[in-house]
Amino acid sequence: EPEVTQTPSHQVTQMGQEVILRCVPISNHLYFYWYRQILGQKVEFLVSFYNNEISEKSEIFDDQFSVERPDGSNFTLKIRSTKLEDSAMYFCASREANEQFFGPGTRLTVL
Amino acid sequence: AQSVTQLGSHVSVSEGALVLLRCNYSSSVPPYLFWYVQYPNQGLQLLLKYTTGATLVKGINGFEAEFKKSETSFHLTKPSAHMSDAAEYFCAVSLSGSARQLTFGSGTQLTVLP
Repeated sequence: EPEVTQTPSHQVTQMGQEVILRCVPISNHLYFYWYRQILGQKVEFLVSFYNNEISEKSEIFDDQFSVERPDGSNFTLKIRSTKLEDSAMYFCASREANEQFFGPGTRLTVL
Repeated sequence: AQSVTQLGSHVSVSEGALVLLRCNYSSSVPPYLFWYVQYPNQGLQLLLKYTTGATLVKGINGFEAEFKKSETSFHLTKPSAHMSDAAEYFCAVSLSGSARQLTFGSGTQLTVLP
């Protein structure tokens, strides 16, 4: 069964460093998403991506964040200069019809 | 804008007892409604969804939910809890627009007691 994959499973970085989180969506899906979940809190929408451009973004998704689909399979989230409060689980999802399929997440720890 | 409220951040039931997890939503237009389950250190798995049609929807693992427009609710139930149901459950809503991003509730941690 096709699934969304994410790498790495855990990323530790120093404050101020750039990180790139990677996702491989399900191959025939057209809509892609990033969400984050700060420990003990709800899952929050960051950004949606369709046809090689951002279709919606939340107020969390400021200039420090960017997304890219560099090739036909990968979908990346870049945080330019990480802050302590960026520590969270980041989930990628891709959508077919009305259902979003989530990856297992990347746990980002900013020290 | 839409929002989701899940009453009860922690729910405990005995094995074999009824599971009832509450979800109320706020939306200016007819929403799509979802329940996701998250096991420890794992991603989100879809349990069930309501988009249109029959208001009682059945999902995986014996769960079901009923969309009640008059009550703006989408409560999740299971007649008989199993130990393997212990997990965190998230209710979510999306609108029917093109992006359809999900707005999640704060989650309910279900504990099943032997």
